[in-house]
Amino acid sequence: EVQLVQSGAEVKKPGESLKISCKDSGYSFTSYWIGWVRQMPGKGLEWMGIIYPGDSDTRYSPSFQGQVTISADKSISTAYLQWSSLKASDTAMYYCVRTTTVPGGYFDYWGQGTLVTVSS
Amino acid sequence: SYELTQPPSVSVSPGQTASITCSGDKLGDKYACWYQQKPGQSPVLVIYQDNKRPSGIPERFSGSNSGNTATLTISGTQAMDEADYYCQAWDTSTVVFGAGTKLTVL
Repeated sequence: EVQLVQSGAEVKKPGESLKISCKDSGYSFTSYWIGWVRQMPGKGLEWMGIIYPGDSDTRYSPSFQGQVTISADKSISTAYLQWSSLKASDTAMYYCVRTTTVPGGYFDYWGQGTLVTVSS
Repeated sequence: SYELTQPPSVSVSPGQTASITCSGDKLGDKYACWYQQKPGQSPVLVIYQDNKRPSGIPERFSGSNSGNTATLTISGTQAMDEADYYCQAWDTSTVVFGAGTKLTVL
């Protein structure tokens, strides 16, 4: 069974750095793209970007380019989403998602979400 | 930038048919998919490539996509279908989500 297991909730202060993770199980990690989706409190879904762990090809939404870094370590089947300096507006639930093709694919599996709270 | 427009809310009586639309410029030339999200849960894919159902999704969920509009149809709507629904498509190499539609079953 395919599972995307994300790291636990985080509470951070503005200006701090953070790296959250998404570990796959049950499929070939290097054969699919892994993306990240943000959901701010009470709001809709926003696509942040995507990575192909097989060769680390990474694409970003224009809205998130330069704001976050997406990476992956295929040796441990884990993808990451990273901030160098958090803002209060980064408070949100973050989901990792799996997709078969870029562009044109669909997100067939979702992680359970990682809640990030940024507050002074 | 490309936009997908959904109605903020749709209401339906139990057992009736619910239709949720998603509009975008020449959306019919792209693949559309739909996700269901219940409170406190991760979204779930319910329709992909316009009209295909993933394994485990009930047959009452169906989809279509033509012209500028994709439609998610839920036949014989049940109380358990009450949720937020999001459409999604690709614009070149960028993913676009609709703002979501809250389906109320009353």
